[in-house]
Amino acid sequence: TQLLEQSPQFLSIQEGENLTVYCNSSSVFSSLQWYRQEPGEGPVLLVTVVTGGEVKKLKRLTFQFGDARKDSSLHITAAQPGDTGLYLCAGGMTTDSWGKFQFGAGTQVVVTP
Amino acid sequence: NAGVMQNPRHLVRRRGQEARLRCSPMKGHSHVYWYRQLPEEGLKFMVYLQKENIIDESGMPKERFSAEFPKEGPSILRIQQVVRGDSAAYFCASSSAGTSEYFGPGTRLTVL
Repeated sequence: TQLLEQSPQFLSIQEGENLTVYCNSSSVFSSLQWYRQEPGEGPVLLVTVVTGGEVKKLKRLTFQFGDARKDSSLHITAAQPGDTGLYLCAGGMTTDSWGKFQFGAGTQVVVTP
Repeated sequence: NAGVMQNPRHLVRRRGQEARLRCSPMKGHSHVYWYRQLPEEGLKFMVYLQKENIIDESGMPKERFSAEFPKEGPSILRIQQVVRGDSAAYFCASSSAGTSEYFGPGTRLTVL
């Protein structure tokens, strides 16, 4: 069973539309990271959130960590074709095992011109 | 400012051969992690190492797989007597203590 559930699994939208990707768990995480991965490449870190209720903005991307630190969302405003990729969330269980993240299966986002 | 480097990027082995995957962490990073990714799946944690120490290998198969991070040189993930089911992308990530991880470009292993 997947510790972190990401939804939807696949999302196809037109350029200029908005989208939201969700990452949910029944477990509490000490930190949560979002990555974007393109075909044939390694995941690229987008953001790390550590405080319940935290909201971080990165240009057109908005990341939110749930108050209970069990869930997170990524919202993209006015999506562009360059936003196409596999979006992965990863949760860290404890602060002393920082590297042992649990990854979700990812949401494949396709933005068409 | 070089990022995490992995080589080779692609590796083809026949069943029964050995595969050696190398990872050079980002400058200043002393923590290395190895993950495996199968098509259409997320990353699965394998092992977490610091210099000369294996901190957590709970995700490593008990047989044929080993990892090391020597005092000098890159981290090595070794797979002995490879089987077709070992075909996957293997990613290395590095961090310094208490910071986020940065991933390398991966090694795509194909077992014929």
